[in-house]
Amino acid sequence: ETGVTQTPRHLVMGMTNKKSLKCEQHLGHNAMYWYKQSAKKPLELMFVYSLEERVENNSVPSRFSPECPNSSHLFLHLHTLQPEDSALYLCASSQDRSGAYNEQFFGPGTRLTVL
Amino acid sequence: AQSVTQLDSQVPVFEEAPVELRCNYSSSVSVYLFWYVQYPNQGLQLLLKYLSGSTLVKGINGFEAEFNKSQTSFHLRKPSVHISDTAEYFCAVSDRGGSYIPTFGRGTSLIVHP
Repeated sequence: ETGVTQTPRHLVMGMTNKKSLKCEQHLGHNAMYWYKQSAKKPLELMFVYSLEERVENNSVPSRFSPECPNSSHLFLHLHTLQPEDSALYLCASSQDRSGAYNEQFFGPGTRLTVL
Repeated sequence: AQSVTQLDSQVPVFEEAPVELRCNYSSSVSVYLFWYVQYPNQGLQLLLKYLSGSTLVKGINGFEAEFNKSQTSFHLRKPSVHISDTAEYFCAVSDRGGSYIPTFGRGTSLIVHP
């Protein structure tokens, strides 16, 4: 596999379920990101990890819990979600988060539906 | 802090016609600018970027964009579009002196008709 992969591609869950989204990057990058993409809204940055350390958390509700066990893997653990959390969740990686520039490489996303 | 405005939510155009997708930004410092494309059921892919130097930037798939500092704009253009260009296009900006994480616009849906 190359680039950034995400599993599952589609997920339907009830409000009381617990599920996890997985992201894996095969690019040797040091930084990884979770974004939420809702229809006709700007991309919302949720979490940023650099060298496995969380460096930004943009006021995301605690029902979303990220985990970065190593620089290649990123998880988003979900519990007691609300219907308004239904969206496309995108994972991205970049060489680094500092320096003159870092280009983000995105995965295909997980389409989440909360019933 | 910076912000990005994409003035058109949807741009319909006929195949082989030229197209311009507009992007304006606001920032108190110098910026980097990006255009990303998102095809259906896919993630975002970088089309082109402005870091410094020439204000006319060429990207993949025949797209180009021009950085206009006085108008704080970074409009995306293509002289002749194809059906396969139908997608969502996102403009993004990041501060040179900040965390470098881009702020994205709401996106413009380009719809190419045969």
